[in-house]
Amino acid sequence: DAGITQSPRYKITETGRQVTLMCHQTWSHSYMFWYRQDLGHGLRLIYYSAAADITDKGEVPDGYVVSRSKTENFPLTLESATRSQTSVYFCASSEWLGDRGHNYGYTFGSGTRLTVV
Amino acid sequence: DQQVKQNSPSLSVQEGRISILNCDYTNSMFDYFLWYKKYPAEGPTFLISISSIKDKNEDGRFTVFLNKSAKHLSLHIVPSQPGDSAVYFCAANTNAGKSTFGDGTTLTVKP
Repeated sequence: DAGITQSPRYKITETGRQVTLMCHQTWSHSYMFWYRQDLGHGLRLIYYSAAADITDKGEVPDGYVVSRSKTENFPLTLESATRSQTSVYFCASSEWLGDRGHNYGYTFGSGTRLTVV
Repeated sequence: DQQVKQNSPSLSVQEGRISILNCDYTNSMFDYFLWYKKYPAEGPTFLISISSIKDKNEDGRFTVFLNKSAKHLSLHIVPSQPGDSAVYFCAANTNAGKSTFGDGTTLTVKP
């Protein structure tokens, strides 16, 4: 099915462990994004990617690593998980439409709820 | 410094009445504004947008108004339906394309 899928949907991990959240999109959108949603903080940008092999930091990148070797995949890795990284993580994609940019909105995945204990 | 603010965490309205959700921004470089709707356990879905060169955009029951001088936008839903109950996020884009989101407003439409 076409769309953007995130896995796993739920994850519990221990402090200090490495964990990777997966994101896969089937539209060949050039842009992909990772946001986290915490109670009272809305959606905050962690990292984004304009194309394969091009990534850049967002508002809250510390403690996270991303890679994008293929256009369709954009995994997010927590190198050493901390309790403060307990959150709901959303992946999104968008096509760059020239001077109209992303103004038709992002397409979001269903999210991964991560709990660090 | 939060650049996009939704000052009302929640809003409750009666079915059939108007819902008005508000959003304020501080960055004059924002040139496009969007509203997303989010149901529990789902990702946000794009609802409606407006360019900074316009002051109104309408799509069915949803209308977004932009007041650039006040750096304020609002989403009107008329008439409100119980299925509209969700969290609504305001977002703003610069020319670089990254979206900055507000904290969201939870709308409850009572039958």
